[in-house]
Amino acid sequence: EPEVTQTPSHQVTQMGQEVILRCVPISNHLYFYWYRQILGQKVEFLVSFYNNEISEKSEIFDDQFSVERPDGSNFTLKIRSTKLEDSAMYFCASIENVNSPLHFGNGTRLTVT
Amino acid sequence: AQKVTQAQTEISVVEKEDVTLDCVYETRDTTYYLFWYKQPPSGELVFLIRRNSFDEQNEISGRYSWNFQKSTSSFNFTITASQVVDSAVYFCALISSDRDDKIIFGKGTRLHILP
Repeated sequence: EPEVTQTPSHQVTQMGQEVILRCVPISNHLYFYWYRQILGQKVEFLVSFYNNEISEKSEIFDDQFSVERPDGSNFTLKIRSTKLEDSAMYFCASIENVNSPLHFGNGTRLTVT
Repeated sequence: AQKVTQAQTEISVVEKEDVTLDCVYETRDTTYYLFWYKQPPSGELVFLIRRNSFDEQNEISGRYSWNFQKSTSSFNFTITASQVVDSAVYFCALISSDRDDKIIFGKGTRLHILP
């Protein structure tokens, strides 16, 4: 069964550094998402992406965050200047069409020191 | 406003007991979808079920069953004859097809199945 893949599984970075989290959604899916889960807390929506542009973003998704689909397969989340509070598990997800079940990747655990 | 409430933060039961996880949702939309996801200790999010707002039939899948009641805006999840492998955090979630496409998660219920 096709799945969403995320790399790396764990990323450690220093405060102020840029980090790029990578995701390969399922190939025929059209909608892409990033979610964040701070350890032990709820899963929070960051951004949705459709037709090569952001369709919606949350308050968390400020100017430090950006998303890209550079080559038709990868879907990346960039954090320009990481802060300690960016430490979290970041989940990528994709769906084939609106209201299909979200297929999540296994997540990237980001640790900012 | 859309909201998902999972009032039970943490539940512990002994193996083989039945356990019900509560989920109450709020939405003004008439068309919406409800989901349950499981997050085992390894951290990934595993899809369990999706139910649309026009289908109030209860569903059973093995030891799992779901009770959707629009009258009380609830979508409860029951595990029968629980097993240690059921230990995880379970998230209820909502998406409305009438507006934006983001899924709203509840805060999750951490379930401990004790041997």
